[in-house]
Amino acid sequence: QVQLQESGPGLVKPSETLSLTCTVSGGSISSSFWSWIRQPPGKGLEWLGYISYSGSTNYNPSLKSRLTISVDTSRNHFSLRLSSVTAADTAVYYCATYDHSNYLAYWGQGTLVTVSS
Amino acid sequence: EIVLTQSPATLSLSPGERATLSCRASQSVRDYLAWYQQKPGQAPRLLIYNGISRATGIPARFSGSGSGTDFTLTISSLDPEDFAVYYCQHRSNWPFTFGGGTKVEIK
Repeated sequence: QVQLQESGPGLVKPSETLSLTCTVSGGSISSSFWSWIRQPPGKGLEWLGYISYSGSTNYNPSLKSRLTISVDTSRNHFSLRLSSVTAADTAVYYCATYDHSNYLAYWGQGTLVTVSS
Repeated sequence: EIVLTQSPATLSLSPGERATLSCRASQSVRDYLAWYQQKPGQAPRLLIYNGISRATGIPARFSGSGSGTDFTLTISSLDPEDFAVYYCQHRSNWPFTFGGGTKVEIK
């Protein structure tokens, strides 16, 4: 059973860079696709982007210029960096991955990131 | 970007009743559609994938139907643990998107 755990600062100042890491256990990051999804408080879900085990990425066009997703196979984790954040980036950030269905069957518990000075 | 519109926004039902949730896509997503359940403070849980297939461990009272632009999630008889928010999501082409959600609340 794959398990995912997000980690990173819970508070980021406006205009700075939000950085989160998702640690994968119970499975190898050297397979499948690894995604970041966010959910502003009280709102719906937004798929930010994903990275494959080979390092190829796909980013949501709404964030493309600010978003970087990377993978570290030696540490079995993948990361998100979102630059030039504003209050609109305040959200619970989830990492997630597929199972055999090719849909998001495994999710982290989510981490709330607040953008505020 | 494909927009998924879910209706109704809120469904007020009693335990034991049948719930019918709708998801409409702005263009065809073929059968590349999933349904998720989310409870407060929890991550979403995959229920249905490819329109009609139940995910691992999902009870038979959950069923999905549809293809193209119109999809339905049916809960045949609501269990108290089924009161939650439900989202549809497509993976037809990037960016993959979610619908706005339907909240199933206790009447």
